[in-house]
Amino acid sequence: GDSVTQMEGPVTLSEEAFLTINCTYTATGYPSLFWYVQYPGEGLQLLLKATKADDKGSNKGFEATYRKETTSFHLEKGSVQVSDSAVYFCALSIIQGAQKLVFGQGTRLTINP
Amino acid sequence: SQTIHQWPATLVQPVGSPLSLECTVEGTSNPNLYWYRQAAGRGLQLLFYSVGIGQISSEVPQNLSASRPQDRQFILSSKKLLLSDSGFYLCAWSMPAPGGYTEAFFGQGTRLTVV
Repeated sequence: GDSVTQMEGPVTLSEEAFLTINCTYTATGYPSLFWYVQYPGEGLQLLLKATKADDKGSNKGFEATYRKETTSFHLEKGSVQVSDSAVYFCALSIIQGAQKLVFGQGTRLTINP
Repeated sequence: SQTIHQWPATLVQPVGSPLSLECTVEGTSNPNLYWYRQAAGRGLQLLFYSVGIGQISSEVPQNLSASRPQDRQFILSSKKLLLSDSGFYLCAWSMPAPGGYTEAFFGQGTRLTVV
């Protein structure tokens, strides 16, 4: 079935470090791919998305490129800030009766000053 | 603009008690509605989704049920809570997009602790 596998966490970095959170997927067809962010005690917010191969989603300095050949959608940021501390979820969108999001297990990111 | 409201924000309930969590969406019509659960330290699991009033699909067998009495209202219920029902429950909505895909928008979540 369709699934998303994310890099195991937690991840701890110093401020201004480079961030990569790996995400790979298994899907039939061509799903859209998303990164969601969850700040402590809150719901999920869409961070960025890509709807077809080679698309690059970007927002708030984060980027991810839809790589069909490697079935990946890795999240990157060149210089992280303390305010980026959160849980990040990779997800794919499938149509099965209705549109559904299939999520990875989430990666907790902590940025130290 | 569209907004989603979910309540209560936190809930502590004894084992065996009933549950009712409510979610409403404003500013849109005929949305797809979803209930997800996030267990501690784990990802999000889709519990139920609905494409219209009275239409509920269950993704996993469990102690919970869902109802959609109105177009923009989605309710998660249980007759008797179990300890394993503890978690963070998230309601979400998306617009139907035949042949395409749109993102889902999430409520702020309800943290349920069953004691």
